[in-house]
Amino acid sequence: GDSVTQMEGPVTLSEEACLTINCTYTATGYPSLFWYVQYPGEGLQLLLKATKADDKGSNKGFEATYRKETTSFHLEKGSVQVSDSAVYFCALSDPQAGTALIFGKGTTLSVSS
Amino acid sequence: GAVVSQHPSRVICKSGTSVKIECRSLDFQATTMFWYRQFPKKSLMLMATSNEGSKATYEQGVEKDKFLINHASLTLSTLTVTSAHPEDSSFYICSASITGSGQETQYFGPGTRLLVL
Repeated sequence: GDSVTQMEGPVTLSEEACLTINCTYTATGYPSLFWYVQYPGEGLQLLLKATKADDKGSNKGFEATYRKETTSFHLEKGSVQVSDSAVYFCALSDPQAGTALIFGKGTTLSVSS
Repeated sequence: GAVVSQHPSRVICKSGTSVKIECRSLDFQATTMFWYRQFPKKSLMLMATSNEGSKATYEQGVEKDKFLINHASLTLSTLTVTSAHPEDSSFYICSASITGSGQETQYFGPGTRLLVL
């Protein structure tokens, strides 16, 4: 079945460092891909999404490109801030498998000043 | 916009009692709501999909008689954990998708922490 694998955390960075959180997926159809973020004490928020191959989703300085050839959707940011500290979830939605979201296990990011 | 609330935010109950969790879409109508369970250091696990006015669709392995879901209106879905036991302790999260938008974008509530003693 469909699945999402993302890198284990926690990821600990200093402010202004570069961030990459790897995410790969398996799907039978042509899924849409998402990154959600969960700040401490809050619900999940959609960070960005891409609905087809080669699409790039971006928001708040974060980017991720839908790579069909490598089945990946890595999250990147050039310069992280303390306020980016949160748990990041990669997810997919595959119309052929139904419309429910399938999540990765989440990666905790901790940024220190 | 697209705010989803949950109530309560945390609840502690005795084993054997029932607990009801509410999920509301505050500023939009949600034909479909989803209930997830999140274990520590684990991903969110979809429990059931709730459609307004019809019976919920449960994922494999989820006991529908234990986790009762009611989606009475376009802005409210409830999850009742019946005869709760300590192993039901978890973080329960609901989400809602906007009517007519397709179900790809879900808006999540802040979650409810359940502790069963």
